[in-house]
Order: sequence, then C-alpha cells, then structure tokens
Amino acid sequence: AQKITQTQPGMFVQEKEAVTLDCTYDTSDPSYGLFWYKQPSSGEMIFLIYQGSYDQQNATEGRYSLNFQKARKSANLVISASQLGDSAMYFCAMRRNTGFQKLVFGTGTRLLVSP
Amino acid sequence: GAVVSQHPSWVICKSGTSVKIECRSLDFQATTMFWYRQFPKQSLMLMATSNEGSKATYEQGVEKDKFLINHASLTLSTLTVTSAHPEDSSFYICSARDGQVNTEAFFGQGTRLTVV
Repeated sequence: AQKITQTQPGMFVQEKEAVTLDCTYDTSDPSYGLFWYKQPSSGEMIFLIYQGSYDQQNATEGRYSLNFQKARKSANLVISASQLGDSAMYFCAMRRNTGFQKLVFGTGTRLLVSP
Repeated sequence: GAVVSQHPSWVICKSGTSVKIECRSLDFQATTMFWYRQFPKQSLMLMATSNEGSKATYEQGVEKDKFLINHASLTLSTLTVTSAHPEDSSFYICSARDGQVNTEAFFGQGTRLTVV
C-alpha cells in the first residue's frame, strides 16, 4: 500500500526567506510519481511540481524545487523567496504509474508567510 | 494546464434530498476521473475512481449506493449524494486525467456541500 507522511502541521516563514516542507513516502512500486499541490482558502488544488521515480535530477518549477532523496523515500518541497501569497495548505501526493494511477495525499502542511 | 470545471461550487440542501455534482473536462478527454472528499482541516480522501463507460471503483468504506457516480462520456462525470444527511456536509472535489498521456491529474474547483 502507498502512504504519504507530512509531519509538519504548520510552518511559519518570513517573506523573502526560503522554506522546506517535508514529505516522506512508502511504496513497493518501482515506478511512481510524486506531486506537490497548493490549496488556498478557496479550496482549489493548484499543481506545483512533479517528480518521477526514475528522474535523475530534482524537479524545479520557478520558485519551487523538489528535494528528491529516493533512498530515504523523501520528497521535500523547497519554496525560495517566499511571498505573502504563498500562505496556504500544501499537500504532498503520490501516484503509482500503473492501474488507475490515483493520487494518495498526505495530511498537509499549513504555511504562513509573514511580512 | 488543462481545465476541469466543477459545478456547483457550493450547495445547501435539506436532509433527505439528493444532490448532483458535475465534473467536466473542458479541453481534453478524461478517460479517468476521481472523486475526493475533504472534511475541514483534513486531507483529501479518495472516494472513487470512475472510468468512462464502466462502473466506478469505490474505496473501502465508501457506500456506493449513497454516492452514485456516473461517467457517461469522456468529458463528464457526476457524483450524486443520495438521501443526504448533515454528516455528508463536506468539500467534494473531482480530478480528471488524460488517459493518453501520463500527466498529472487536473482538479476542479470543488463543491462545498452543506446539508441542513
């Protein structure tokens, strides 16, 4: 079975600083994908970044980067130069690349960016 | 990215009535759609996976007779909450993926259901 763990219920960061949101996962599948989504108070799920299990390099998308450590089964999200608009819930998710390819989500981390 | 439209964005209904929520993929064909439920301050929990033209696959503990899912076309899936009760009040959100390409799933805007 797949499992995603986010151990930080809440994180605080000052504007313009970098912050790391932790995510560990457990799976026996050799091929899988890891995702990060942002959920503002409006409820929509905003896709941020994707890392495939066979990708050799860490994924980056603008201010977002994913610190993928396969041996440790971790996929931490790094947000550089935090902005006030980054305040939201952040969910790590995993998808096996066979079958229905459904997403399994972690419990989320609430990030608050202060001026 | 691709667009998934979910309607309505919020609904209030009386106990015992049924509510239908629609999820449409606007610019791609969604062979698979997923329905999630999210209670306040909790994560998204998968309820069921629907494939176009076949019966939905429900997660353990989700009552298929209460949460009816129909995926009659490649662009539309519906979730009907039958005989709604206050405990069904939640945020329901769908996602859809293009079966042709191994990409991420795109999410609808979500529906906030309140049963009174």
